[in-house]
Amino acid sequence: EAQVTQNPRYLITVTGKKLTVTCSQNMNHEYMSWYRQDPGLGLRQIYYSMNVEVTDKGDVPEGYKVSRKEKRNFPLILESPSPNQTSLYFCASSSPGATDNTIYFGEGSWLTVV
Amino acid sequence: RKEVEQDPGPFNVPEGATVAFNCTYSNSASQSFFWYRQDCRKEPKLLMSVYSSGNEDGRFTAQLNRASQYISLLIRDSKLSDSATYLCVFYSGSARQLTFGSGTQLTVLP
Repeated sequence: EAQVTQNPRYLITVTGKKLTVTCSQNMNHEYMSWYRQDPGLGLRQIYYSMNVEVTDKGDVPEGYKVSRKEKRNFPLILESPSPNQTSLYFCASSSPGATDNTIYFGEGSWLTVV
Repeated sequence: RKEVEQDPGPFNVPEGATVAFNCTYSNSASQSFFWYRQDCRKEPKLLMSVYSSGNEDGRFTAQLNRASQYISLLIRDSKLSDSATYLCVFYSGSARQLTFGSGTQLTVLP
């Protein structure tokens, strides 16, 4: 079954405590990306990756890091989380040049920084 | 001009109504178009792709107008279960960058 898996799904953490949200896909997709969704602001792209070892900033990259060492994994790292990073985060993957270029999303990760 | 503009709504319509949403885009290099549906605070899910010739899936019809640079979604005979936020999504540019609209909120009332 085609899947994008994010973990953790729910997390409450304290300001400054480093955390990583993992994202894994089983569809051999080249393209992966991270979004945050806040009320009234829609989906905003944080970082994206066109392939292994290739990452680029999206619209709101400040305070986040990513890595793409393997094709299937694209973790989102918050080195020093702050309360303004409290949000709902989605990971997505796709294969833009393929016949099936559907974008698949993970179920989302609710992050609260206190 | 914003890269994509989508009427946020909310659209409140009675059951059985026909409702249409548009999404305009500014990047003429946009190549692939989709409508996604998102239920409250859940992940977006593909509703349908949008093809140049227009396409239909049951009560849903999607159309693309490249000349005027917009896509549309028409929902006929609205059901309560159609209540959701509808997002337009497209790939653009040689890098196939993804762009999302901010979403149109639809509520179908009994």
